[in-house]
Amino acid sequence: GENVEQHPSTLSVQEGDSAVIKCTYSDSASNYFPWYKQELGKRPQLIIDIRSNVGEKKDQRIAVTLNKTAKHFSLHITETQPEDSAVYFCAASTSSSASKIIFGSGTRLSIRP
Amino acid sequence: DTGVSQDPRHKITKRGQNVTFRCDPISEHNRLYWYRQTLGQGPEFLTYFQNEAQLEKSRLLSDRFSAERPKGSFSTLEIQRTEQGDSAMYLCASSLARSARGTPQETQYFGPGTRLLVL
Repeated sequence: GENVEQHPSTLSVQEGDSAVIKCTYSDSASNYFPWYKQELGKRPQLIIDIRSNVGEKKDQRIAVTLNKTAKHFSLHITETQPEDSAVYFCAASTSSSASKIIFGSGTRLSIRP
Repeated sequence: DTGVSQDPRHKITKRGQNVTFRCDPISEHNRLYWYRQTLGQGPEFLTYFQNEAQLEKSRLLSDRFSAERPKGSFSTLEIQRTEQGDSAMYLCASSLARSARGTPQETQYFGPGTRLLVL
């Protein structure tokens, strides 16, 4: 079955700097890659997603890149702000997997003032 | 908040007791999912429904776990004879599948979760 690895597990960056979180997946049939942000005690919230027919997607300060050949995808946050502090989860899914999403283990991002 | 809701938000029970959680999806969402999340980990898929049909169950879902979605709207997750290892956050999510199975994934929206502590 699908396995999603996520690195790093913790990340601390200076406010205003960029943060990068990387994930790899095992199932070459995966074609949907969402990223969720979870603040302490709150629900996971989708921040951006990418499908396998594109290599990059950007939404304001957030961008995601996908390399299907290498089976890895990354989240990039630019000009980080204190409210970006949270746990970020990458995930992968295949259209044949009955909508099951497999999550990475998460990255705890801390923004230093 | 008109998103996915879950009840209760917190549940403390003694080992061996049965517990039941409820999830109300976003109105008109035809798919409903249950996940379990332990501290420091990502959500783990348990099961999902398309309308009232339970279409997939994870191997994580032992025979002590049962989920229902009788009218294709809200869903319940029951854990019988709870064990300390069942302590976790139980998350529900819903989505609107506009196409048949086999087409690209739709966005899943999560509820706030039910935090279960088994003593």
